[in-house]
Amino acid sequence: NAGVTQTPKFQVLKTGQSMTLQCAQDMNHNSMYWYRQDPGMGLRLIYYSASEGTTDKGEVPNGYNVSRLNKREFSLRLESAAPSQTSVYFCASSAALAPYNEQFFGPGTRLTVL
Amino acid sequence: TQLLEQSPQFLSIQEGENLTVYCNSSSVFSSLQWYRQEPGEGPVLLVTVVTGGEVKKLKRLTFQFGDARKDSSLHITAAQPGDTGLYLCAGGSGGSNYKLTFGKGTLLTVNP
Repeated sequence: NAGVTQTPKFQVLKTGQSMTLQCAQDMNHNSMYWYRQDPGMGLRLIYYSASEGTTDKGEVPNGYNVSRLNKREFSLRLESAAPSQTSVYFCASSAALAPYNEQFFGPGTRLTVL
Repeated sequence: TQLLEQSPQFLSIQEGENLTVYCNSSSVFSSLQWYRQEPGEGPVLLVTVVTGGEVKKLKRLTFQFGDARKDSSLHITAAQPGDTGLYLCAGGSGGSNYKLTFGKGTLLTVNP
């Protein structure tokens, strides 16, 4: 099992460019999440999908959109990248079995916006 | 808004020393997880505690959930260089969205 995979691993964009970060999990998990991690800020939730067919905003959704393509895949799109979106992005998945809420993370995408 | 405060933010110790990392909140959580993150990688789950007062051990690591389920601690005995990393606590509030609230982490460096 690969667990949670993310592509690409690294990306450099110019201000105003768009891109989509891809995430897939092979653990048959119901819930999937997108986080960003910045120095001194910890992990902040951007969007999540509690189950296939649903998506909801997290703590910092502005400038992002998501698509839950199927149970396995959850993508994050930046329509018009800004330097403030320079960060490391992590995708996670969870079996969503209360009360455990255990999440499994991908290796991350390191994004730089110039 | 639920917040988790971790302390200390940074910790640098010598191999063989003991240490404790704390995770505190004013909110009650239905579960509390600890993750370790190494440079360039994603967080990896270490343990989940769900019952107030619960203690779990993972080799040299001991995790405790506070009686009121508002705080937790991670104790490492005889730290080794391989323990170096960012330790994150995360609280689950239950409900149907299964979201986690993360602390900002404790960056541990164990020097040989």
